[in-house]
Amino acid sequence: AQKITQTQPGMFVQEKEAVTLDCTYDTSDPSYGLFWYKQPSSGEMIFLIYQGSYDQQNATEGRYSLNFQKARKSANLVISASQLGDSAMYFCAMSFDTGRRALTFGSGTRLQVQP
Amino acid sequence: NAGVTQTPKFRILKIGQSMTLQCAQDMNHNYMYWYRQDPGMGLKLIYYSVGAGITDKGEVPNGYNVSRSTTEDFPLRLELAAPSQTSVYFCASSYKDRMNTEAFFGQGTRLTVV
Repeated sequence: AQKITQTQPGMFVQEKEAVTLDCTYDTSDPSYGLFWYKQPSSGEMIFLIYQGSYDQQNATEGRYSLNFQKARKSANLVISASQLGDSAMYFCAMSFDTGRRALTFGSGTRLQVQP
Repeated sequence: NAGVTQTPKFRILKIGQSMTLQCAQDMNHNYMYWYRQDPGMGLKLIYYSVGAGITDKGEVPNGYNVSRSTTEDFPLRLELAAPSQTSVYFCASSYKDRMNTEAFFGQGTRLTVV
């Protein structure tokens, strides 16, 4: 069975500093995708970044980058130059290339950016 | 530019009542999903659909039913509501042919069963 683990229930970071949110996953399927979503206090789910299992380079999207270590089965999210608006819940999720393609989510990390 | 639209946004139900959560998407996506999010937790899959007329169970289907008569709509039916169904419900959709396409989520429905 597939599983996503986020071991940091909460994180604090100072404004303008970088922060890494951890995510490890477990699957025996060779083809999968890893996603990060942001959920602000308003509740909506906002897609941030995607990494495919066969991608050779780590994904980047603006201030977001994904530190993908396939052998360790980790897909950590790095947020550079944190802003107050980054305060939110962050979810790591995984899906597969076949079947239902539904996302399997981790339990999330609550990030608080301090001024 | 509506995306995924869920109604209602909030609802309070009494134990034993029934209701339907509506979900519609205008992106012509094949895949549609219903998730629930309990407080402080990640999202869990209730039901999903890979196209009109095709639905299947996710991890937590008990107490729910779905139908998919059109590509656009994917309603979730709660029969005999129980306090354990108090949760935030999200509908999502995605495009079939590319795994790296993210799922688009509705705004969520906050349901309380009392």
